[in-house]
Amino acid sequence: EAQVTQNPRYLITVTGKKLTVTCSQNMNHEYMSWYRQDPGLGLRQIYYSMNVEVTDKGDVPEGYKVSRKEKRNFPLILESPSPNQTSLYFCASSPQGFSNQPQHFGDGTRLSIL
Amino acid sequence: AQKITQTQPGMFVQEKEAVTLDCTYDTSDQSYGLFWYKQPSSGEMIFLIYQGSYDEQNATEGRYSLNFQKARKSANLVISASQLGDSAMYFCAMREPNTGFQKLVFGTGTRLLVSP
Repeated sequence: EAQVTQNPRYLITVTGKKLTVTCSQNMNHEYMSWYRQDPGLGLRQIYYSMNVEVTDKGDVPEGYKVSRKEKRNFPLILESPSPNQTSLYFCASSPQGFSNQPQHFGDGTRLSIL
Repeated sequence: AQKITQTQPGMFVQEKEAVTLDCTYDTSDQSYGLFWYKQPSSGEMIFLIYQGSYDEQNATEGRYSLNFQKARKSANLVISASQLGDSAMYFCAMREPNTGFQKLVFGTGTRLLVSP
């Protein structure tokens, strides 16, 4: 089954404790992206990757890191999480960016930073 | 300026009725793509329908159709014969060349509640 898999689905942690949210897709997509969703703001892009070893900042990259060492994986790293990073996070993938390609989303990761 | 505007924070509709969810967008490009996603209370994002800027026909997918008015820059989602399972958040989004088509720009969403 074609899917984007995120882990963990839920995480409660404390300020400053490094964490990684994993994302993996099995559709051989070149493009992958991370979004965060906050009430009243919709989804905002954090980082994206057009292919292996190619990443770039989205609209809200501060406090996050990413890497793309393999085509299928695109982990999101919070080196020193803070409470304002409490949010619902989505990983998405699609074939290389043409206007008609919908992005396929993972089921989301709900992070709470205390 | 907002790229995608969804002016209806919430909508109510009775089962079996049709409902229109509004979306207007802002772009200076000629080539772009418009998408609608559904987010049920379980949280996942489900792709519903796509409309290309050069498509002459309005997109349809089962009970979903898109009322695309290019001159007005609007791409309203029409759900016919609403069902209880349609209760969810609905997001309009755009993919455009000035970002290299590299991201979806989302609106703030409309929460739809379908009542029996």
